[in-house]
Amino acid sequence: RKEVEQDPGPFNVPEGATVAFNCTYSNSASQSFFWYRQDCRKEPKLLMSVYSSGNEDGRFTAQLNRASQYISLLIRDSKLSDSATYLCVVNMDTGRRALTFGSGTRLQVQP
Amino acid sequence: NAGVTQTPKFQVLKTGQSMTLLCAQDMNHEYMSWYRQDPGMGLRLIHYSVGAGITDQGEVPNGYNVSRSTTEDFPLRLLSAAPSQTSVYFCASSSRSYEQYFGPGTRLTVT
Repeated sequence: RKEVEQDPGPFNVPEGATVAFNCTYSNSASQSFFWYRQDCRKEPKLLMSVYSSGNEDGRFTAQLNRASQYISLLIRDSKLSDSATYLCVVNMDTGRRALTFGSGTRLQVQP
Repeated sequence: NAGVTQTPKFQVLKTGQSMTLLCAQDMNHEYMSWYRQDPGMGLRLIHYSVGAGITDQGEVPNGYNVSRSTTEDFPLRLLSAAPSQTSVYFCASSSRSYEQYFGPGTRLTVT
């Protein structure tokens, strides 16, 4: 079983749609959670951190469910520019400060 | 402020050759790391460093060496290139937070 699992997609949605991605992680002791965005053939960039109480940044909402060991990302009013791969990232070992990446979910927003 | 820079952007090696991928950051970050990204597998940690003079192995360290003589630089050495090392290599740095800033990547092909 992968340590961080994501549905690879692609998710094809029309502009203006709401889309949600889930990600599950295996280590219940994980402390920190993030969503990164990666455009085609580019480096990953932090989209948002995920806090226990959930957090929102404009059209993006991230939530954490520790009991079920998953995090989610909700994108409202999708834009063409949201087309990218979204990486679920977990810090599983605070002593090493190393991040474990999921393989990503690809989103394609269509006009 | 250039952030994280990597050279070269592209490289083709023959099996058995050695080379060094360069990474530099100008943000005075303590933590630096090297990842490789292969299709369908997400980013995997090769080596990381929590400060000058301190390095440690990540998930897939075999065939690679690193050193950290300064805060700014974190080169990755391929000792004897193999086709299995064909990948995209990303260097990243971070401060005390877990937000990692990635370089633009090096696309390496080993024939």
